[in-house]
Amino acid sequence: QKEVEQDPGPLSVPEGAIVSLNCTYSNSAFQYFMWYRQYSRKGPELLMYTYSSGNKEDGRFTAQVDKSSKYISLFIRDSQPSDSATYLCASYETDSWGKFQFGAGTQVVVTP
Amino acid sequence: NAGVTQTPKFQVLKTGQSMTLQCAQDMNHEYMSWYRQDPGMGLRLIHYSVGAGITDQGEVPNGYNVSRSTTEDFPLRLLSAAPSQTSVYFCASSYRLQSSYEQYFGPGTRLTVT
Repeated sequence: QKEVEQDPGPLSVPEGAIVSLNCTYSNSAFQYFMWYRQYSRKGPELLMYTYSSGNKEDGRFTAQVDKSSKYISLFIRDSQPSDSATYLCASYETDSWGKFQFGAGTQVVVTP
Repeated sequence: NAGVTQTPKFQVLKTGQSMTLQCAQDMNHEYMSWYRQDPGMGLRLIHYSVGAGITDQGEVPNGYNVSRSTTEDFPLRLLSAAPSQTSVYFCASSYRLQSSYEQYFGPGTRLTVT
């Protein structure tokens, strides 16, 4: 069983709506949590990076981590067609280089 | 900076053939990794390196070999290609900031084994 689970979607939303993406994880030792965005036929690019529990905001993007329920969320406000991509969550334990665990990715489609 | 570059972009192999996927980075990052991405499976770690001369296995290492003779280059060798190795391969490099790492990915190599 994968240590990070993610609904593959696709998730279709109208332009301007809030996109809500979620992941769950099973490894209690995970301390760092990331969201990557991957456009079609491109490599993933780091979008958000959080440590432990709490919220982090960057422009239209908000990442949340709830360690008590092992839940990771990404919210995209005022979604744009350019936000159409696959979003992958990932995590790893502290000082455990090489142990990145990725979710399968959720495809998001923002329709004009 | 070119970042992380990968060659070739596309490759078709016959079962049993061998080949090397090239990866280079110009950011002087210590850490480099190879992943494969398959539908519904996400990114799975094949091999990784924490510095020149040091490599280790990831989650799915069978059928692949790596070496790291320089900081910049991290080639991935397919020893005897099998249809199960049909996938998109991504190379990534990373630097360490205290206990955190940020990975930068290359554009990928699409490999088909017939």
